[in-house]
Amino acid sequence: DAGVTQSPTHLIKTRGQHVTLRCSPISGHKSVSWYQQVLGQGPQFIFQYYEKEERGRGNFPDRFSARQFPNYSSELNVNALLLGDSALYLCASSLGSLGDYGYTFGSGTRLTVV
Amino acid sequence: GDSVTQMEGPVTLSEEAFLTINCTYTATGYPSLFWYVQYPGEGLQLLLKATKADDKGSNKGFEATYRKETTSFHLEKGSVQVSDSAVYFCALVGGADGLTFGKGTHLIIQP
Repeated sequence: DAGVTQSPTHLIKTRGQHVTLRCSPISGHKSVSWYQQVLGQGPQFIFQYYEKEERGRGNFPDRFSARQFPNYSSELNVNALLLGDSALYLCASSLGSLGDYGYTFGSGTRLTVV
Repeated sequence: GDSVTQMEGPVTLSEEAFLTINCTYTATGYPSLFWYVQYPGEGLQLLLKATKADDKGSNKGFEATYRKETTSFHLEKGSVQVSDSAVYFCALVGGADGLTFGKGTHLIIQP
């Protein structure tokens, strides 16, 4: 079975630009969540979607948005990129919305803003 | 809000040494607790989990016990190998607000 897949793996953008990151969950998983991991730190929660609805939001500005599609894949969008948005963006999928089953992570998208 | 505190590294051990990485948490309610491992250049892999007090999670020789009275979930392994070198994250989830992670502990095992 395929794991959580994310695309692209690496991305370089200029300040002020917009970026879209994509994630496909494990087959049968209905929950997708997004995390930002700055170098040397633990991941920070951005969003969780379950059954196409936003179920949780972390402390990130409105420049960050996401959505989940009928096939449970998801997109994370970031507008007006700042240098501080440079990070590894991780997607995780789970069977349920409360995480008791654990989350399976993808390998991430490395975003560099210059 | 919820928080996780884990010992800062790097932690350097010789092969076959005993490993303990401390983790304590603050949370409302009854969170589920996790240890994740991250190898260089990769995403996070679930190492083990525990969903209620006194549960013991175990995997690949690693163990951790959910201690509600001390709000702790310390990671242990009896005999580490060079291949265990990685960054280890303690985390909790209490609801729909996703995982709350500690800052990570970089483990270095020397042959």
